[in-house]
Amino acid sequence: KAGVTQTPRYLIKTRGQQVTLSCSPISGHRSVSWYQQTPGQGLQFLFEYFSETQRNKGNFPGRFSGRQFSNSRSEMNVSTLELGDSALYLCASSLVDPTPDTQYFGPGTRLTVL
Amino acid sequence: AQSVAQPEDQVNVAEGNPLTVKCTYSVSGNPYLFWYVQYPNRGLQFLLKYITGDNLVKGSYGFEAEFNKSQTSFHLKKPSALVSDSALYFCAVSGRGYNKLIFGAGTRLAVHP
Repeated sequence: KAGVTQTPRYLIKTRGQQVTLSCSPISGHRSVSWYQQTPGQGLQFLFEYFSETQRNKGNFPGRFSGRQFSNSRSEMNVSTLELGDSALYLCASSLVDPTPDTQYFGPGTRLTVL
Repeated sequence: AQSVAQPEDQVNVAEGNPLTVKCTYSVSGNPYLFWYVQYPNRGLQFLLKYITGDNLVKGSYGFEAEFNKSQTSFHLKKPSALVSDSALYFCAVSGRGYNKLIFGAGTRLAVHP
């Protein structure tokens, strides 16, 4: 079975721009979660989507948003980029039941904001 | 609130020796505990989890972890370390009913030949 895929793998943006990251879950997985990894804050939960609905949200500003499509693929968007948004963004997928289920991570998208 | 602590930033061990990476947790209710490993420029790889049942959990690549409720610990262990085990290890806890992982700060494991 193919693993979680994320595109693009690397992105360079400037302050004030917006960015969209994409995640394709493992086939059959219906839950997609997003995490931000930085040297200073470590791994932090952004949000989880299931059945095209946000089921849980972390403590991030409204500039961070996401969505999930009917095929379980997910995107996250960051608007008005700030230097502090530079991070590795990880997507993870899991089966819905049982919860909490094992989350399988993609390779991540490395975002650099200049 | 749920939290996880990994008290060691780095663990150094000689190849062939046993290794332990420590993790303690704080949750209300029953904990759901996970260990992940991260190699450079890679995502997280799942090693093992504790949901319920036996306190000793066996996982991938010869790793195991022992759940200790009285000490609120979930230490990762391996009987004989390999140089290829050198990586960043994360302990995580999740709440019941939703897929949200709270991670520890991570422990860098260095296995020396």
